[in-house]
Amino acid sequence: DAKTTQPTSMDCAEGRAANLPCNHSTISGNEYVYWYRQIHSQGPQYIIHGLKNNETNEMASLIITEDRKSSTLILPHATLRDTAVYYCIVRVPLMNYGGSQGNLIFGKGTKLSVKP
Amino acid sequence: SAVISQKPSRDICQRGTSLTIQCQVDSQVTMMFWYRQQPGQSLTLIATANQGSEATYESGFVIDKFPISRPNLTFSTLTVSNMSPEDSSIYLCSVEVSDEQYFGPGTRLTVT
Repeated sequence: DAKTTQPTSMDCAEGRAANLPCNHSTISGNEYVYWYRQIHSQGPQYIIHGLKNNETNEMASLIITEDRKSSTLILPHATLRDTAVYYCIVRVPLMNYGGSQGNLIFGKGTKLSVKP
Repeated sequence: SAVISQKPSRDICQRGTSLTIQCQVDSQVTMMFWYRQQPGQSLTLIATANQGSEATYESGFVIDKFPISRPNLTFSTLTVSNMSPEDSSIYLCSVEVSDEQYFGPGTRLTVT
């Protein structure tokens, strides 16, 4: 079973920031928080990941609470092309652990709809 | 990063037949993963394929139904055997490079 809880769906106005929450209260000390998204009929796309510090890249920012029990993915200026299902996943990277413990376990994700 | 291609991109097959899906990566990777995404559902891991060893299957998936080959570090195949309509899904291969997991575009299979 997925170790994360996400809202089923969210709406966001085009040009505004999209803030997608994720609860992972049972996260272990060596598990990272990963975010992926899947645009309709395409394979999942990696967005960002982090352990405990906030992370930012060209796509998004990841804010992880100090107790690591929840996080928020921020798309700073959402566009219509950001409409997708967003998955929050906790796992140990394969490089750190190896074997099936590092596999991605997908929950149902959050369906983000960006509206004009 | 990694660029992954899959063949075929889609197919319509008759029940009782088998289909082999190919996955090609543009770099050498140790482990490749095969996922299934049933209509309206999230992704489910089928198996992990290491080069030179038997694939490791997740609960609910067996080698007789989903045989996997991994002849080298850039290629893998997944066969869906003796297909039934319940096998209609998108099948995706995936690899991990530098803590990031990359996915292929998927193979959309419809079984009639």
